[in-house]
Amino acid sequence: GENVEQHPSTLSVQEGDSAVIKCTYSDSASNYFPWYKQELGKGPQLIIDIRSNVGEKKDQRIAVTLNKTAKHFSLHITETQPEDSAVYFCAGTGGTSYGKLTFGQGTILTVHP
Amino acid sequence: DTAVSQTPKYLVTQMGNDKSIKCEQNLGHDTMYWYKQDSKKFLKIMFSYNNKELIINETVPNRFSPKSPDKAHLNLHINSLELGDSAVYFCASSPGGIKGTEAFFGQGTRLTVV
Repeated sequence: GENVEQHPSTLSVQEGDSAVIKCTYSDSASNYFPWYKQELGKGPQLIIDIRSNVGEKKDQRIAVTLNKTAKHFSLHITETQPEDSAVYFCAGTGGTSYGKLTFGQGTILTVHP
Repeated sequence: DTAVSQTPKYLVTQMGNDKSIKCEQNLGHDTMYWYKQDSKKFLKIMFSYNNKELIINETVPNRFSPKSPDKAHLNLHINSLELGDSAVYFCASSPGGIKGTEAFFGQGTRLTVV
């Protein structure tokens, strides 16, 4: 099955700086890679996703890159703001199973004003 | 209107008790899931149902029994609760399909077994 590794586990930046979170996956059949943001006391919420036929996707301050050969993908947040502080999860779906998500371990991002 | 709603939000109970968590989605999705988030924030899938049929069962103890009366509902019943069952349980739904699509999560149920 799919195995997803995520780094770093914690990330602290100053407001306005960029933040990068990296993930690797094991199942070469994986074709969908979402990123979720979880705020305190809430459920994870999708912020961006990428499919295996695309190398990069951007949505305002957030971008995701995918390297299928190396089996890794990254989340980039530019011009960070205090409200970006949360736990971020990457995930992969493997090649089967009705959208089952295998999550990375999570990254606690803290943006200092 | 809440897309995926779970009840209760908090649940405190004694070891050995039986409890249920309810989940409903109003998105018209075919697939629903239960995920468990442990104290280290790690999220792991437990079950998945597609159109009321069990399609994923991730080696969860058989004290956990999901039930899907219709495709908009997926409830989780837990027998003989143990201390190690303390966690946050998330229900989610998605349109499903093997290509992978966005999963929408509920707000979670924090279960504390004392």
